[in-house]
Amino acid sequence: AQRVTQPEKLLSVFKGAPVELKCNYSYSGSPELFWYVQYSRQRLQLLLRHISRESIKGFTADLNKGETSFHLKKPFAQEEDSAMYYCALSGTGFQKLVFGTGTRLLVSP
Amino acid sequence: SAVISQKPSRDICQRGTSLTIQCQVDSQVTMMFWYRQQPGQSLTLIATANQGSEATYESGFVIDKFPISRPNLTFSTLTVSNMSPEDSSIYLCSVVREGLGYNEQFFGPGTRLTVL
Repeated sequence: AQRVTQPEKLLSVFKGAPVELKCNYSYSGSPELFWYVQYSRQRLQLLLRHISRESIKGFTADLNKGETSFHLKKPFAQEEDSAMYYCALSGTGFQKLVFGTGTRLLVSP
Repeated sequence: SAVISQKPSRDICQRGTSLTIQCQVDSQVTMMFWYRQQPGQSLTLIATANQGSEATYESGFVIDKFPISRPNLTFSTLTVSNMSPEDSSIYLCSVVREGLGYNEQFFGPGTRLTVL
């Protein structure tokens, strides 16, 4: 079965602190992994995807197939990073997205 | 990117009634989806809206409850039929656009539905 698990509902950090949002998945095959972000009063938007291996807004995520994880990291959190973050997966060649329950990141000054 | 609009943005409805949500995209897209996000929960795929044929529904969702139309490649509607308070959710449409070597899924702003 396809499943995405985000164990933390809320992650609260101070500005400048490192951030790691955890994501574990279950999928029988080679999934594509994504992180989506939803800022206050804005629509859901793609933050990054594992196949592009890029850093967006200082965030990176590495796919660890052995641990079936795709944790989102940023070395120094900013207040504008406060948002809802969703981890999602799909099958190869783009299929439907399966979302995790989301983690709310709150960065305090 | 893709510009997606949804109507209405929100509505409050009475139990037993039906509501049709519209999704308009600024250009032709092949793949269009409808998701539901219940309060405090994640997004769940309802169905894939297929142009010219019946929608493909996910487990737990049926056409009688969530009829979908897709008359062309830029427009789709989702109807929530015979509503109950449990249908109170945010309903989102999304589309897939082809990128450089991979596809990207874009989401509409959502329709917030409250059923009394």
